[in-house]
Amino acid sequence: DTAVSQTPKYLVTQMGNDKSIKCEQNLGHDTMYWYKQDSKKFLKIMFSYNNKELIINETVPNRFSPKSPDKAHLNLHINSLELGDSAVYFCASSQSNSGSRRYEQYFGPGTRLTVT
Amino acid sequence: AQKVTQAQTEISVVEKEDVTLDCVYETRDTTYYLFWYKQPPSGELVFLIRRNSFDEQNEISGRYSWNFQKSTSSFNFTITASQVVDSAVYFCALSEAVAGGNKLTFGTGTQLKVEL
Repeated sequence: DTAVSQTPKYLVTQMGNDKSIKCEQNLGHDTMYWYKQDSKKFLKIMFSYNNKELIINETVPNRFSPKSPDKAHLNLHINSLELGDSAVYFCASSQSNSGSRRYEQYFGPGTRLTVT
Repeated sequence: AQKVTQAQTEISVVEKEDVTLDCVYETRDTTYYLFWYKQPPSGELVFLIRRNSFDEQNEISGRYSWNFQKSTSSFNFTITASQVVDSAVYFCALSEAVAGGNKLTFGTGTQLKVEL
């Protein structure tokens, strides 16, 4: 019954490795997001997909590649990991906008990535 | 560009005190939405409230209340009779609509510590 789930919860890896984080939501939402939370707790959006189409692509190194196989899943693949990628990555989902109406985002539990 | 300022980095109160968390925002949009999220020590992000720019009525939910003032671009959050379980980082966020979704701009958060 978890609304937005992410795996893994913790990820410890070495510099230069490639890793993926998976996200799934069972809320029936059309839009999913990835956010990065740094060590100072600052939250910044990275990507968003609506119905499997990329709608937000912030200034993120191209080592980060999101993939949405269907509306309920959004994965994040990171190549050639660097020390600065260490952070907590949150997945979120929301309903699509309806006219001028906008909806809250529901967040997953986060994945703490540590690059050594 | 959208901006959210939470000038209070950390607030400490004693249980049962009332506390107000400030949020000031900047946007050029005429229609916008504001949100508050709670991040307890366990790390998840919990949605608290959504408010649109057309509705300036204050809202109360139990011990929580929100004061939205368009004239001063503020959306402040008050906890009445604080409890230890209220200890968390609280984030204010402003949405910018994109096709199908919302791009949330978060403030830097206010760490609230409620002590016995």
